[in-house]
Amino acid sequence: DVQMTQSPSSLSASVGDRVTITCRASQSVSNYLNWYQQKPGKAPKLLIYAASSLQNEVPSRFSGSGSGTEFTLTISSLQPEDFATYYCQQSYYLPRTFGQGTKVEIK
Amino acid sequence: EVQLVQSGAEVKKPGESLKISCEASGYTFSNYWFGWVRQMPGKGPEWMAIINPRDSDTRYNPSFQGQVTISADKSINTAYLQWSSLKPSDTAMYYCARQGVTVQPFDFWGQGTLVTVSS
Repeated sequence: DVQMTQSPSSLSASVGDRVTITCRASQSVSNYLNWYQQKPGKAPKLLIYAASSLQNEVPSRFSGSGSGTEFTLTISSLQPEDFATYYCQQSYYLPRTFGQGTKVEIK
Repeated sequence: EVQLVQSGAEVKKPGESLKISCEASGYTFSNYWFGWVRQMPGKGPEWMAIINPRDSDTRYNPSFQGQVTISADKSINTAYLQWSSLKPSDTAMYYCARQGVTVQPFDFWGQGTLVTVSS
């Protein structure tokens, strides 16, 4: 299986901060990389697909970049509703695999 | 509006069988692959399997192959995940999700079904 490794595992940030989360794949997944946001007690929500395409109705402060094995999710100005856990997922190989998650907490 | 509505929480004993469901609405069910994701307490999501409702073609994660069965009934826009013999280690939240077209992310998710297996 393709291993997806996120860093950091958690971070503390303030409202208004710029936040960057990294995801590395154990082998190239081209641009078949997706980002999800999950809040406690809720289902994951798709934010970014194809590495850099914003899902409908997702705020433009979220952006994604990368290809091959290295990807980043950036939140340009952290808002109170953005405190959550973020997961990357590759959809190039079967079985699809998720990263272990990055928890974004309030500083 | 795309909606996926899952069946309610279940409490079962080890060895019992279970079938949970997910009803889709707001789009043509047969046009999109459909999947199931496990999330154990405090852990990340795990991709279990997907099914093409048009012809019931399936793809399983080897980690779940033989442990669960997925199916779909396109006449009622509903997908299923079933176990023949539950174990305590099956205790988790299970999500259904629609697989989108471009690079195949899970673009819409159900609300989750909590399965608890305990003697």
